[in-house]
Amino acid sequence: SQKIEQNSEALNIQEGKTATLTCNYTNYSPAYLQWYRQDPGRGPVFLLLIRENEKEKRKERLKVTFDTTLKQSLFHITASQPADSATYLCALPMDYGGATNKLIFGTGTLLAVQP
Amino acid sequence: NAGVMQNPRHLVRRRGQEARLRCSPMKGHSHVYWYRQLPEEGLKFMVYLQKENIIDESGMPKERFSAEFPKEGPSILRIQQVVRGDSAAYFCASSPSGSNSPLHFGNGTRLTVT
Repeated sequence: SQKIEQNSEALNIQEGKTATLTCNYTNYSPAYLQWYRQDPGRGPVFLLLIRENEKEKRKERLKVTFDTTLKQSLFHITASQPADSATYLCALPMDYGGATNKLIFGTGTLLAVQP
Repeated sequence: NAGVMQNPRHLVRRRGQEARLRCSPMKGHSHVYWYRQLPEEGLKFMVYLQKENIIDESGMPKERFSAEFPKEGPSILRIQQVVRGDSAAYFCASSPSGSNSPLHFGNGTRLTVT
């Protein structure tokens, strides 16, 4: 079955730097991959979706890459701000081919941006 | 536009009692998903429903747990005879279609079993 690995150690960076978070999966390449942000006591909030035929996706200060050879996605936040501090979750479809929206989530990486 | 609404936000039950968690999806969304999040663990899929139908309940324990999404009203996740191990945050999400679309999550119900 599909497994997701995200760095469980918190990532501490200085304001203004670029934060890079990693998501590795172990089995078949998914039809798409999603990134969510979760703040304490709140539900996850969708950020970006990247499909298997896309190498890179951008949205404002966010950039996601998808390397099916490495079985890896990288999530970048440029010009990071303290308000970006949160846990970031990687998610893949549970079904091969992404036939449904049922997702498997990583445990997330906590990002702390120091002012 | 109201997002996904879950209530109650916090629920305390004694062992053996029933817990009922409610979820109203975003307007126009007919697909609902329930997830459970334990401390220090990721979100675990429980059940996927469309109006009046359970599509996939493969992540839900076979005993004591049930879910419904009636034609009218919110989706309900019911846990009977709760045990301490049921203490967790339960999140509901909705989507406008059944595939290739992101999930919109509520802020969860935090169940504590004493």
